Amino acid sequence: DAGVIQSPRHEVTEMGQEVTLRCKPISGHNSLFWYRQTMMRGLELLIYFNNNVPIDDSGMPEDRFSAKMPNASFSTLKIQPSEPRDSAVYFCASSLEAGGASGYTFGSGTRLTVV
Amino acid sequence: AQSVTQLGSHVSVSEGALVLLRCNYSSSVPPYLFWYVQYPNQGLQLLLKYTSAATLVKGINGFEAEFKKSETSFHLTKPSAHMSDAAEYFCAVSEQTNAGKSTFGDGTTLTVKP
Repeated sequence: DAGVIQSPRHEVTEMGQEVTLRCKPISGHNSLFWYRQTMMRGLELLIYFNNNVPIDDSGMPEDRFSAKMPNASFSTLKIQPSEPRDSAVYFCASSLEAGGASGYTFGSGTRLTVV
Repeated sequence: AQSVTQLGSHVSVSEGALVLLRCNYSSSVPPYLFWYVQYPNQGLQLLLKYTSAATLVKGINGFEAEFKKSETSFHLTKPSAHMSDAAEYFCAVSEQTNAGKSTFGDGTTLTVKP
C-alpha cells in the first residue's frame, strides 16, 4: 500500500484565497483524522471521521475551516478565506479501526504558507 | 479526559549511550499508549503501541517501552543511540472507549552527538 497520500505537499497562497487540502487514506482504514502542527501549538486535532461520518469537529478553529469525506477513499480540508495565522503543516492520518488500538498512519503533510 | 505529559522538550545523548524519553499519562479508563517518531519534513511514524497485552512493548529500530500503571508512565528506551535516531518523538494516549481519538504530547527532540 502507498500509505496515506496528501496533496499538495506545499501550498503558498495569498490572504483571502480559498485553500483545499486533499487526503487519500489507506484502503480499508475506517477512521480519518486531520491535524495541524505549528511550533507554538504543537499537534492539534482538527476533526475526525469514522466510516466517513464526522465524529468530532471541536478542534476546527472557526467557520472558515470545513472538512468533508464524501467516500472512504477521499477527504478534503478547506480554508476559506485563508489568513496568515493558518500557516502550518496539515497532516492527515488514518486508522484501521474506531477505538484507536491500531494507532495512526500519517501522511507526509501539506505545508501551507499564507502571505 | 485523557492527557499526556512528556518530560523534557529536548534530550541530548552521545552515540552509543542509553536513550530514555519520558512520558506520563492521565486517563479515566484503561488506555492505549503509543510512541511516534517524526523526522524532519515528514509525517509521524508509529514506533510502538501498548494495547493491554504485555507491559513491555518492543517496537521498530530497537526501541521499547514499558507500561507502568502504578506510575502512570510509558517511557521509551533504547540501549544504544545511533545518529539516525535524531528526531522528534511523540507520546500519545487513547482511551479504550473513546472511538479512536488520541491525545498527543508536546514532543521531545532527541539529539545524538557523535
